[in-house]
Amino acid sequence: QSVLTQPPSVSGAPGQRVTISCTGSSSNIGAGYDVHWYQQLPGTAPKLLIYGNSNRPSGVPDRFSGSKSGTSASLAITGLQAEDEADYYCQSYDSSLSGSGDVVFGGGTKLTVL
Amino acid sequence: EVQLVESGGGLVQPGRSLRLSCAASGFTFDDYAMHWVRQAPGKGLEWVSGISWNSGSIGYADSVKGRFTISRDNAKNSLYLQMNSLRAEDTALYYCAKDRRGVGATLEGPFDYWGQGTLVTVSS
Repeated sequence: QSVLTQPPSVSGAPGQRVTISCTGSSSNIGAGYDVHWYQQLPGTAPKLLIYGNSNRPSGVPDRFSGSKSGTSASLAITGLQAEDEADYYCQSYDSSLSGSGDVVFGGGTKLTVL
Repeated sequence: EVQLVESGGGLVQPGRSLRLSCAASGFTFDDYAMHWVRQAPGKGLEWVSGISWNSGSIGYADSVKGRFTISRDNAKNSLYLQMNSLRAEDTALYYCAKDRRGVGATLEGPFDYWGQGTLVTVSS
């Protein structure tokens, strides 16, 4: 069971808007640690999609946006396209798992474009 | 162009050891922390270990603590993962990943570049 909780799957039609939630706790997201998002297309390595809660690396379309509030974060995708079909992971840092802290990932969300 | 190329994976019996390597190029290797992240077949991502730019700070997931050792050789632009006492549950694709933040940053990520991974299969 992952420290960060994501819905196993979401879906949407082309052109629609979908959101993926990432729920943590007071020892990770709620403690002020940043949330980052990754996109993993089938058979490929993960790609950084959003960093520092809401920042997009160069080359990532502005259809992708991130936000954080309290102990949760969200990834929003607008103008859904077929090539967005992938697994999405949130990542943060947790200060309670061990004395030194740990990087933690959500369990991943499979986005299906209908 | 940033490139991370992992090697060293393979089939190994339970209880045996394996050493993974990651060759980095296209960036100033000794300016950045580096990490290992694994993905079991059909499963999600799991952080394994991270090491700061100067090896002064190292972290491990509880699942590998005491069995795995991360190291780096900045002169060779290389990252390593020594895996001992391997278990069936260590079977996964192991990714080498570069931390986006530079010198002085803690081991929190994010990871802005990933290799293609090297597959480790632990089975008798």
